[in-house]
Amino acid sequence: SQTIHQWPATLVQPVGSPLSLECTVEGTSNPNLYWYRQAAGRGLQLLFYSVGIGQISSEVPQNLSASRPQDRQFILSSKKLLLSDSGFYLCAWRNGPPYNEQFFGPGTRLTVL
Amino acid sequence: AQSVTQLGSHVSVSEGALVLLRCNYSSSVPPYLFWYVQYPNQGLQLLLKYTSAATLVKGINGFEAEFKKSETSFHLTKPSAHMSDAAEYFCALGGANNLFFGTGTRLTVIP
Repeated sequence: SQTIHQWPATLVQPVGSPLSLECTVEGTSNPNLYWYRQAAGRGLQLLFYSVGIGQISSEVPQNLSASRPQDRQFILSSKKLLLSDSGFYLCAWRNGPPYNEQFFGPGTRLTVL
Repeated sequence: AQSVTQLGSHVSVSEGALVLLRCNYSSSVPPYLFWYVQYPNQGLQLLLKYTSAATLVKGINGFEAEFKKSETSFHLTKPSAHMSDAAEYFCALGGANNLFFGTGTRLTVIP
């Protein structure tokens, strides 16, 4: 069966510090991978998705970047965090069509102070 | 354009009462629709999915949803609410590479 891991589970970082969040998937190959953010009181915002190694699509301009160095690894980064980067970050994976349902990791709670 | 609208950002029901969470969609192609549940500080869990095989879809935890093309709706129901159902619920529409999510409905269950 497939599993998805995210770490760390929680993170408190000062403004201006760098960020690296990691997501890995087990039990599947060549999945689509996704990064979402939930800010307090708001819904899900798609940040990035990837259909393969080195292929990243950005949905919104922002202070963050993503990379996919391996088939089942997806990394979310920032060089300098802003207060507005605080939120709950979720990674998800998807098998191929037709149904396109996504399966989510446990999330990382990021607080920028 | 594809989109999902969830009516009611907050819904409160008494324990044992009917749960009804509303979702309407807009799609130019036959839709694939999903309901997810999110408990506090956790990821989203797939409750059920509509894939055109049957209009009434049964999911986990006693939830079900009915696809109504004429109403472009996919409302989520449960006959009797339980305290453990308190969570946030998201309706989603399948796109080519992504899911289009609604803004979510927070369900409160009153004892």
